[in-house]
Amino acid sequence: DSGVTQTPKHLITATGQRVTLRCSPRSGDLSVYWYQQSLDQGLQFLIQYYNGEERAKGNILERFSAQQFPDLHSELNLSSLELGDSALYFCASSASRATNEKLFFGSGTQLSVL
Amino acid sequence: GESVGLHLPTLSVQEGDNSIINCAYSNSASDYFIWYKQESGKGPQFIIDIRSNMDKRQGQRVTVLLNKTVKHLSLQIAATQPGDSAVYFCAEASYGGSQGNLIFGKGTKLSVKP
Repeated sequence: DSGVTQTPKHLITATGQRVTLRCSPRSGDLSVYWYQQSLDQGLQFLIQYYNGEERAKGNILERFSAQQFPDLHSELNLSSLELGDSALYFCASSASRATNEKLFFGSGTQLSVL
Repeated sequence: GESVGLHLPTLSVQEGDNSIINCAYSNSASDYFIWYKQESGKGPQFIIDIRSNMDKRQGQRVTVLLNKTVKHLSLQIAATQPGDSAVYFCAEASYGGSQGNLIFGKGTKLSVKP
């Protein structure tokens, strides 16, 4: 168990809808990262937050947004969903704000857009 | 953009044999490399890392070798066990790079035959 908790484990929704994925980092970790994993693109970095503030941005679509709350949990919001958004979404956490530190990953949320 | 890639997408080994998983990287500015293991239904799990000032690092049953001349990284697993069956990802990071975050390769699937 990595100590990173993600909910829900599975999510099935329709195109055009909006969903929220939730992540609780390991106790004491201040950085939260979101990754998207698909068969054709592999693990793609989306965004990182450190202690409530956006720290780094990757290939995140404008339809996607994230935030980190004062209690350090994070949410990834995906809107106007398309079929191509179906993927595994991982949250990871680390102790510091360095974007290249060892990450601890949650078990992921499997999103299926029908 | 620059990316991390893998020589072999799948690898099948006999239980007890040694496994070698290879990875090529293209960004000569990368100075930190990590291997992650992802078992079915789980998030990636840190195995071992190496900085560019080293060419070899050993862990428990695993060894990472770095050849900066040819930009090649390998993960050696000694006495491979059925529990080692997973997808293995290499990742690179550049401290001074514009991205600054870990860039993951596509992954190699390791299957261990009993």
